[in-house]
Amino acid sequence: QQQVKQSPQSLIVQKGGISIINCAYENTAFDYFPWYQQFPGKGPALLIAIRPDVSEKKEGRFTISFNKSAKQFSLHIMDSQPGDSATYFCAASMQNDYKLSFGAGTTVTVRA
Amino acid sequence: DTGVSQDPRHKITKRGQNVTFRCDPISEHNRLYWYRQTLGQGPEFLTYFQNEAQLEKSRLLSDRFSAERPKGSFSTLEIQRTEQGDSAMYLCALRRGGPGNTIYFGEGSWLTVV
Repeated sequence: QQQVKQSPQSLIVQKGGISIINCAYENTAFDYFPWYQQFPGKGPALLIAIRPDVSEKKEGRFTISFNKSAKQFSLHIMDSQPGDSATYFCAASMQNDYKLSFGAGTTVTVRA
Repeated sequence: DTGVSQDPRHKITKRGQNVTFRCDPISEHNRLYWYRQTLGQGPEFLTYFQNEAQLEKSRLLSDRFSAERPKGSFSTLEIQRTEQGDSAMYLCALRRGGPGNTIYFGEGSWLTVV
């Protein structure tokens, strides 16, 4: 049973546009929510992470929005660039073990 | 630099052979994790260590798989009698403490079983 559901499976955005990826989780014990970026043949690289005591976190062009009551969180990529073309994974875990449950991934393609 | 070195990066083996992957943290970390990722999927948790103690193993880790972390530093993941379904990327990850207190992955070891 997949504990984190991610959508869409893929998206195409024009350069300068906004990419939005959504995730939903079931386990209310989760209290750590990171996003990873992965390029082909590489390991996942941590982008940004949030804990449920805040509703939004921004780092550069990347923003996480978190809705605890709905058990949902999303990643917004502002001013998308061709270099952002990659697969993005949301994940969730408890802070006592950091055993991550990943979503299925979203392939983002940024058109120049 | 994620602080995690994995070796080998690529391994092609015949079905039925044994393979071993190694994970070397560049600096000391008490928590070390192994994940498996197949094409088009997110990583799946396999097992993790607190120092040299193996704290949990996923149901994905059949009896053909064994992981060790003998001195609480590097770790090995061995797969015995490989099957084609074992073809995947095997990822090592570390927990870093401090303000970030998060999980960083290595570049992974690709396994192809032919």
